[in-house]
Amino acid sequence: DSGVTQTPKHLITATGQRVTLRCSPRSGDLSVYWYQQSLDQGLQFLIQYYNGEERAKGNILERFSAQQFPDLHSELNLSSLELGDSALYFCASSVSVSGRGETQYFGPGTRLLVL
Amino acid sequence: GNSVTQMEGPVTLSEEAFLTINCTYTATGYPSLFWYVQYPGEGLQLLLKATKADDKGSNKGFEATYRKETTSFHLEKGSVQVSDSAVYFCALSGESQGGKLIFGQGTELSVKP
Repeated sequence: DSGVTQTPKHLITATGQRVTLRCSPRSGDLSVYWYQQSLDQGLQFLIQYYNGEERAKGNILERFSAQQFPDLHSELNLSSLELGDSALYFCASSVSVSGRGETQYFGPGTRLLVL
Repeated sequence: GNSVTQMEGPVTLSEEAFLTINCTYTATGYPSLFWYVQYPGEGLQLLLKATKADDKGSNKGFEATYRKETTSFHLEKGSVQVSDSAVYFCALSGESQGGKLIFGQGTELSVKP
């Protein structure tokens, strides 16, 4: 158990809908990262937050947004869903943003299926 | 930009065989390098890491050495077990990039008894 929790575990929805994925980082970790794992794109970095502020953006679509709340939990919002958004979405956390070999701890993921 | 390339899988080995999974990277400066493992139905777990050239990361019998001259971080284990069956991801974190990880495509390992 990494100490990172994600809900829900599974999500099935229809095209055009909007969903919210939730992540609680490990106790004491200030940085949260979101990654998408799909068969065709592999594991891709989406976005990072540190202590409530956005720090880095990767290949995140404009239909997707995220935020980190004062209690440090984070939510990833996916809207106008398309079939191609079906994937496993991981949240990871780390203590800071040094990037200097800092370990990221991954949650179990949310599996999204868009029908 | 930064990138990671891993050998393609799946890799199938018999128990107690020697394992090598190749990983090479492209990055400016001195990135940190990682191996993560994903067991079926689970999230990723850090297996080992190295933060500077010639560092060797090791854990659970797995080893990898940061080779700047060949831009490589190959994963090795002397004797694999059935329980090592999983997908292995090589990743890097670039300098001054806030820690985001760039992953290779993953290598699936299957160990047969």
